[in-house]
Amino acid sequence: EPEVTQTPSHQVTQMGQEVILRCVPISNHLYFYWYRQILGQKVEFLVSFYNNEISEKSEIFDDQFSVERPDGSNFTLKIRSTKLEDSAMYFCASSWTGVDGYTFGSGTRLTVV
Amino acid sequence: EDQVTQSPEALRLQEGESSSLNCSYTVSGLRGLFWYRQDPGKGPEFLFTLYSAGEEKEKERLKATLTKKESFLHITAPKPEDSATYLCAVSFNDYKLSFGAGTTVTVRA
Repeated sequence: EPEVTQTPSHQVTQMGQEVILRCVPISNHLYFYWYRQILGQKVEFLVSFYNNEISEKSEIFDDQFSVERPDGSNFTLKIRSTKLEDSAMYFCASSWTGVDGYTFGSGTRLTVV
Repeated sequence: EDQVTQSPEALRLQEGESSSLNCSYTVSGLRGLFWYRQDPGKGPEFLFTLYSAGEEKEKERLKATLTKKESFLHITAPKPEDSATYLCAVSFNDYKLSFGAGTTVTVRA
C-alpha cells in the first residue's frame, strides 16, 4: 500500500536553529499538508499546498515557517528559528483530491532544547 | 469555539464488550467526516470517510455512521489490539481537516 514517508523520525535542535523536515508524499497525489500535534493536544492544521503554492495556512504558520516542493517528489517544512514551543510531532499528509483519501506519514518528533 | 467534539475522552472496555464513540461538529457545509486510528508516537491511520447523513461504513469490528451533526464509531466485540486513540476529523468548505481531541480506547483481555 502506498505510504507517505517522513524523515527524520526524531530531531533534536537548539532554540534559534533552523530545521527542515522532509516528506515524500504518495506519488500521484496532488494536495500536500503539514499538521502538528503538541504532546497531549489535538492534531492541528499548519498549511496546505497545491499546484506549487500554498492554498491555505493557519495562524500558527507565521513567517518562521515555509514549505517547498523542490523536485516534484519531496515536500519540506522549514522552521527558520526554532522556539521551545515548536516542540511537537509534525505530520505530513497527502491527498489525491483534497477532499478525501488523506494519508498521513508516521511523523517527525521535533524537540527544541 | 471547538468545531469538532469527541466523547468520551477515554473508554476502558473488557474484551468482547461492544461500545460506541461519538463525534459531533458544529459548523455547516460538511465536505466529509473522517475517522482515524492513532497508536502512541505514530501518525493517524485512515479508517473511514463519510460524506452524507445516513451513510455507514464497516471494517472488521468497526462501523462508522453519520447523521446531520454527529458520527458514531461502533466497536463490536473489541480485542486488545483495538486499543488506540480514535480521531475524528472534518473537512468543511475548504481542503483541510479539523480534528477532535480523540477518544482513547483501552481493551483489556
